[in-house]
Amino acid sequence: EIVMTQSPATLSVSPGERATLSCRASQSVRSNLAWYQQKPGQAPRLLIYGASTRATGITARFSGSGSGTEFTLTISSLQSEDFAVYYCQQYNNWWTFGQGTKVEIK
Amino acid sequence: EVQLVESGGGLVQPGGSLRLSCAASGFTFSSYWMHWVRQAPGKGLVWVSRINSDESSTNYADSVKGRFTISRDNAKKTLYLQMNSLTGEDTAVYYCARESTYYDSSGYPTRAFDIWGQGTMVTVSS
Repeated sequence: EIVMTQSPATLSVSPGERATLSCRASQSVRSNLAWYQQKPGQAPRLLIYGASTRATGITARFSGSGSGTEFTLTISSLQSEDFAVYYCQQYNNWWTFGQGTKVEIK
Repeated sequence: EVQLVESGGGLVQPGGSLRLSCAASGFTFSSYWMHWVRQAPGKGLVWVSRINSDESSTNYADSVKGRFTISRDNAKKTLYLQMNSLTGEDTAVYYCARESTYYDSSGYPTRAFDIWGQGTMVTVSS
């Protein structure tokens, strides 16, 4: 099983600042990586697929990068609606999620 | 509107069974692979099971293999998860999710879970 490790577990950021979230795979997943956002009491929402392509309707504030084993999700200027938990997911070999990064208001 | 709506969750005793349903609307259900993903209270997302579009292939996480069965009825546009021999570790919100194929700028196919249901809570407790 491919293990996905996200860091940090919690990220405290002020509105308007930049947030950088990391995701590491235990073995190469090529570019078969997605990012999801989940707010309390809601289902996850797809943000990024193919490591760097924004899903339909996702603001350009969100960008993804990386390939192989190291990936990054960047939120360029945090808005109030961006405070949430973010999960990475690999789908190169079956499907596994990272444990999540909570982005909270500083 | 493209939508997935889960139902069937509830309270069940350890060792019991439950059948979850996921009703699809707004898209051609029979064309998509479908998944179940669960989330224990306060925890992260865990993939549970997948079924391909014509039900000829299924996969399960090790934690549920032999106890859970995924199935679908394309005529009814409904996905199912039969859960047997339930334990407290199965307590979670269960989401169904649609897997779509996309193509990146190089024309390389890639996939993602693009539509999720609202989830249904399963509580296993005596």
